[in-house]
This record gives sequence, C-alpha cells and structure tokens, in this order.
Amino acid sequence: SAVISQKPSRDICQRGTSLTIQCQVDSQVTMMFWYRQQPGQSLTLIATANQGSEATYESGFVIDKFPISRPNLTFSTLTVSNMSPEDSSIYLCSVEKEKLFFGSGTQLSVL
Amino acid sequence: GENVEQHPSTLSVQEGDSAVIKCTYSDSASNYFPWYKQELGKRPQLIIDIRSNVGEKKDQRIAVTLNKTAKHFSLHITETQPEDSAVYFCAAGSRGFKTIFGAGTRLFVKA
Repeated sequence: SAVISQKPSRDICQRGTSLTIQCQVDSQVTMMFWYRQQPGQSLTLIATANQGSEATYESGFVIDKFPISRPNLTFSTLTVSNMSPEDSSIYLCSVEKEKLFFGSGTQLSVL
Repeated sequence: GENVEQHPSTLSVQEGDSAVIKCTYSDSASNYFPWYKQELGKRPQLIIDIRSNVGEKKDQRIAVTLNKTAKHFSLHITETQPEDSAVYFCAAGSRGFKTIFGAGTRLFVKA
C-alpha cells in the first residue's frame, strides 16, 4: 500500500487568490493523479502527473488554472489559481501502487 | 471518451439483506475495476478490486463480478449492516493509465 500525506486538509480562501495543495507519498511512485470531488458528486480526474514531464490534463481542465508540479517520485503539488466560488470542492491526490490509493483530501471553500 | 455508468444512485436495504450495485464501462482497454467506499468527510477507501483475467472475487461479505464481454461489473454486499451505509464508487482503468469513476451509489442500511 501507500501512505499519502496531503495538506492543507482544509482552507477558506478569497476569490481571486491561489492555493497550493501538497501531496507527499512514503515511497517512490511513477504515477500521481489529482482528482476533484464537488459536493455530493463523484471523483473527476483533473490531471496525471509524471516525474520529469509536464502533467497531462483532462478535458475541461487547463494548466493555467491548475498548474501541477512533480519535482520527484514522492511529491507533487496542485495549485488552484485565480479562485472563484465554483472552485469550492474537495481535491484529492492519488497514487498508483498496484492499486489506486488516495490522500486524505483538501476541502477548499472559496468566498 | 471513457465513461463509467453506475446504478442505482440510491439504494436502501434492510439490515441483513443483500445490496447489489452495477456498473458499465466504455473503454475496452480497461482491465482493472476497483470499488471504493466513502464515508462522510473521509477519503475513498478501496474495499475490493478485480482484474480482467478473473470473473469473480470475494472477500468475506463483499464480492465483485466482471463480465468483460458485456463490459459490466457488479458489487454484491451480503448480510448488510448499518456500518455499510456510505457512498460506493465503481471505477475502471488500466495500470499506468487513468482511472475513471462512476457517479456513486448512496447505500442506506436500515436497522
């Protein structure tokens, strides 16, 4: 399995600001993923982050809005830029290690 | 694009009865089918998974069946208990590639 530490666990932010979410894994993993879970909804993949290359974004998500870093095989960040209330959501990082495991999530509220 | 459909969206059963949740997927390249349980305010937890080389897998009260020809898979929970109440998500993916989630099933187990 994998132990994934994600922070912050929650934040309340003002419209127009940016928030960077960090994800740390206890072992090296090739694939890291960022998901968004809007209130009462399913998990939607934002992007796939591989070390040493640019993230691959899903339809409806763009790098300018959700820049991702993957500096090494145990760490990644997701930034939610120029936030609006519609960005209020839970953001989850996940890693594939034989199976798909999730971090504890970041509950973001934008006022 | 890839799609996973999940039914029903809500399921209410009496304690001790069985619960069945069904999913279909569109990407014939999918070969990994995990199921997650998510309790309120918590991260999705993997409860069982199945790979395309088997048709059925069982773990105590939980079983999953897969029909690759028809592209559908199901979760079966027997002898349900109140603590089984949660949202359940099916997903489809392949190793080293993205995992797509169903819309979720809210299961209520009435004591």
